[in-house]
Amino acid sequence: AQKITQTQPGMFVQEKEAVTLDCTYDTSDPSYGLFWYKQPSSGEMIFLIYQGSYDQQNATEGRYSLNFQKARKSANLVISASQLGDSAMYFCAMREFNAGNNRKLIWGLGTSLAVNP
Amino acid sequence: GAVVSQHPSWVICKSGTSVKIECRSLDFQATTMFWYRQFPKQSLMLMATSNEGSKATYEQGVEKDKFLINHASLTLSTLTVTSAHPEDSSFYICSARSQESSYNSPLHFGNGTRLTVT
Repeated sequence: AQKITQTQPGMFVQEKEAVTLDCTYDTSDPSYGLFWYKQPSSGEMIFLIYQGSYDQQNATEGRYSLNFQKARKSANLVISASQLGDSAMYFCAMREFNAGNNRKLIWGLGTSLAVNP
Repeated sequence: GAVVSQHPSWVICKSGTSVKIECRSLDFQATTMFWYRQFPKQSLMLMATSNEGSKATYEQGVEKDKFLINHASLTLSTLTVTSAHPEDSSFYICSARSQESSYNSPLHFGNGTRLTVT
C-alpha cells in the first residue's frame, strides 16, 4: 500500500493565485515528519517545509504553508501568490521516527505544477 | 550551509563501460548518504543507503554488483555504474545526512547526474 499518496499528477494555477497540492499518508508510527520538496526542471531537490506529527501548529515558510490534518492523515501544501518560478514538480515525503531505517524518506509520486502568466 | 556537490552533472558513455558519480558534502560531515534513481516525470526511487566506513544497504531489486557504492570518508560517496547498458540511462541523485542532524532535519541533495548510455 502506498504510504504517501499525491493524487494530482498535474495542476495548473494562474499567476498570483493560491494553489493547494494534496498529500495523504499512512503510518502506524505515532512519531513522524512530513516534508515537501520542489524539483524544477533542472533537477535539484529544494526543501520547502516540514511538519512534525506532534507539532501543534501548521508549519509556514514564507509563501508556503502546510495544512496539516492529523486525523485525516493529510499534509497539503499551500502556495500563496503563485509565481512563474513555482512551476516545478512537488514531492511530499515522510520519515517515520521509529522505523530504524537510517531515517530514510518515503516519497510520493509528485505533482507537476504549472503556473500560467 | 549544508551543501552537497554531485559530479558530473551529466555524462554520456558507451554501452559496456563504467561510469563513476561522486557525491560530496562540502561543509558538513555526512554519516549517511542516500542514492536515488529517477525516471522522467516519476518519483525518486531509493537505490541504496551508505554509511561511512561500512557496506551500503541496497533496496530490494537493486543489483549491488552493477551499482557499486563506496562511502570511504565522511565527505565523499561514489556510485559506479558498471558495464552500463542503455536501460541504465536515468537521472541519479544523491542526498546526505549529517552526524548532527535530528529527525526533523531535511535531507540535503546534490544537483543530480543525468546519465545517457549509448
